Amino acid sequence: GAVVSQHPSRVICKSGTSVKIECRSLDFQATTMFWYRQFPKQSLMLMATSNEGSKATYEQGVEKDKFLINHASLTLSTLTVTSAHPEDSSFYICSARETGANVLTFGAGSRLTVL
Amino acid sequence: AQSVAQPEDQVNVAEGNPLTVKCTYSVSGNPYLFWYVQYPNRGLQFLLKYITGDNLVKGSYGFEAEFNKSQTSFHLKKPSALVSDSALYFCAVRDAGNTPLVFGKGTRLSVIA
Repeated sequence: GAVVSQHPSRVICKSGTSVKIECRSLDFQATTMFWYRQFPKQSLMLMATSNEGSKATYEQGVEKDKFLINHASLTLSTLTVTSAHPEDSSFYICSARETGANVLTFGAGSRLTVL
Repeated sequence: AQSVAQPEDQVNVAEGNPLTVKCTYSVSGNPYLFWYVQYPNRGLQFLLKYITGDNLVKGSYGFEAEFNKSQTSFHLKKPSALVSDSALYFCAVRDAGNTPLVFGKGTRLSVIA
């Protein structure tokens, strides 16, 4: 079945630095990928829809300059948290849907801790 | 806009007993409904989906769900719970277009031996 790889699984960084999270579809092409954020004991909040070759579509309230999304190929989308602050600490999860498929496949998630 | 309600934050079940995790939804048009499970510090794993066809959908690990259009519900069920079923369960919905999934808040299932 479809597999989505997300890296790194855990990252700790200092306040003010930037962190990049990669999301790869390993055995299928994904023109669209989705980035979610999950707070402790809460549901997944959709941050943005990543579109291959074009700008991402951000949900209301999500700062596009803070959370940079690049979808340069059909198998890779990246989320960069710029100038990270402790309140950005969270679990970030990407997902992708193979063209023509109905099911979203999720990465294992990336836990970001900003000190 | 689509929405999903999972009315229970926590469901406790004894091992071997049947379990139900509730979900109701709101969507314009025909719903695409999904259940996912999440283990600690992991991403979501797909359990089952309803797109069209038979209202009773069978999925992974012995789980099933019944689509009820009149009640706009899609409750997750399993005839006999296992301790290993203990996890966080999410119901999700989208419409027929290429729209993102909208998730419920999740229900934590605890199966007690």
